[in-house]
Amino acid sequence: NAGVMQNPRHLVRRRGQEARLRCSPMKGHSHVYWYRQLPEEGLKFMVYLQKENIIDESGMPKERFSAEFPKEGPSILRIQQVVRGDSAAYFCASSAGRAYNEQFFGPGTRLTVL
Amino acid sequence: AQSVTQLGSHVSVSEGALVLLRCNYSSSVPPYLFWYVQYPNQGLQLLLKYTSAATLVKGINGFEAEFKKSETSFHLTKPSAHMSDAAEYFCAVSEGSGGGADGLTFGKGTHLIIQP
Repeated sequence: NAGVMQNPRHLVRRRGQEARLRCSPMKGHSHVYWYRQLPEEGLKFMVYLQKENIIDESGMPKERFSAEFPKEGPSILRIQQVVRGDSAAYFCASSAGRAYNEQFFGPGTRLTVL
Repeated sequence: AQSVTQLGSHVSVSEGALVLLRCNYSSSVPPYLFWYVQYPNQGLQLLLKYTSAATLVKGINGFEAEFKKSETSFHLTKPSAHMSDAAEYFCAVSEGSGGGADGLTFGKGTHLIIQP
């Protein structure tokens, strides 16, 4: 029973390029969360999605960042025109239900912007 | 709004000694509370969670935590530290209102160092 899958594990981009991070939730999970972890910091909530719907994007930067979770396929976190400050570890988590359910975390994607 | 404060960015204990990692929270509604562990270059693994049942929660690897509403605390303990416990530990809170805000709010983490 595979856990939460994220790819790529490491991503290097130059300033101004686009970054696409993918997350496949655990089998049977329809709730996906994205978090960002800056060096020496805890994880910061970015966005919460269910299939085809964004439920809460209160933690997403207003510009350049977008997320989707289509009916088929993985959830995608997209960062346009990356800047050095976007360098961080991005974690995806999935759960079977709402807040009291355990969120299972993927191994993360480490984004480096040159 | 909810928040989490973890006292001590680094905690060092001797192998076999008591582990105590502190977590205080603020929440406008009864919270759900979680402790996660993160090993280097890995994702987070749930140690234990409090969801308004028993106030003393037992988790994996011998860890437990006690919810104290009067102190707004959820400290993590383990009677006897093992070298394999060296990792980063995160306390997190969710209000679970169901109306959004289902994302977890994390503390900044405590790096646990085990001295041989």
